[in-house]
Amino acid sequence: DGGITQSPKYLFRKEGQNVTLSCEQNLNHDAMYWYRQDPGQGLRLIYYSQIVNDFQKGDIAEGYSVSREKKESFPLTVTSAQKNPTAFYLCASSIQGSVVGYTFGSGTRLTVV
Amino acid sequence: GQNIDQPTEMTATEGAIVQINCTYQTSGFNGLFWYQQHAGEAPTFLSYNVLDGLEEKGRFSSFLSRSKGYSYLLLKELQMKDSASYLCAVSTFSGGYNKLIFGAGTRLAVHP
Repeated sequence: DGGITQSPKYLFRKEGQNVTLSCEQNLNHDAMYWYRQDPGQGLRLIYYSQIVNDFQKGDIAEGYSVSREKKESFPLTVTSAQKNPTAFYLCASSIQGSVVGYTFGSGTRLTVV
Repeated sequence: GQNIDQPTEMTATEGAIVQINCTYQTSGFNGLFWYQQHAGEAPTFLSYNVLDGLEEKGRFSSFLSRSKGYSYLLLKELQMKDSASYLCAVSTFSGGYNKLIFGAGTRLAVHP
């Protein structure tokens, strides 16, 4: 079955440590996206990528980094520069240029202690 | 700038009808989506409107007026399982890139 996989589902890290969230899709989608969601709030765009080796900053990119070395993979690194990293992180993918909407992963809940 | 507004919370009774409104101001409009999201889960697709008018899909309907920057989601014959957050999202196309911009979501509580 085609889909988009995020791992792990729950992640705990100490303050000041970098952490990388995984996102893999086998849908042959060109575009991939990372969103952050805080309690009671909507999704805010962190980074997005339309093709391999290219990515763009979203609305809240500070303290985050991404790479897109393969079409299937779009990992997100939460760096120590991110002031408030505890949140629910959602990865999504879509066909480039499509307006049909996204396929979402199941999310990773990151807690920094 | 980009702005999407929807009510924060709504309550309704099982079996009733509820309308969730969404107003938006965006550039490069490519359509409007409604998603349902249960706590701790990913959003699931409900509807998509790109032309003015009403789209009906079972118990759910969605309306769009592009000239007014306005949409609503109508839920009929409410069930307890409809208690969730409902996210309005606008598809925008700018600088060669397509992306979805989300509103903050409306938390709907359905009571017996």
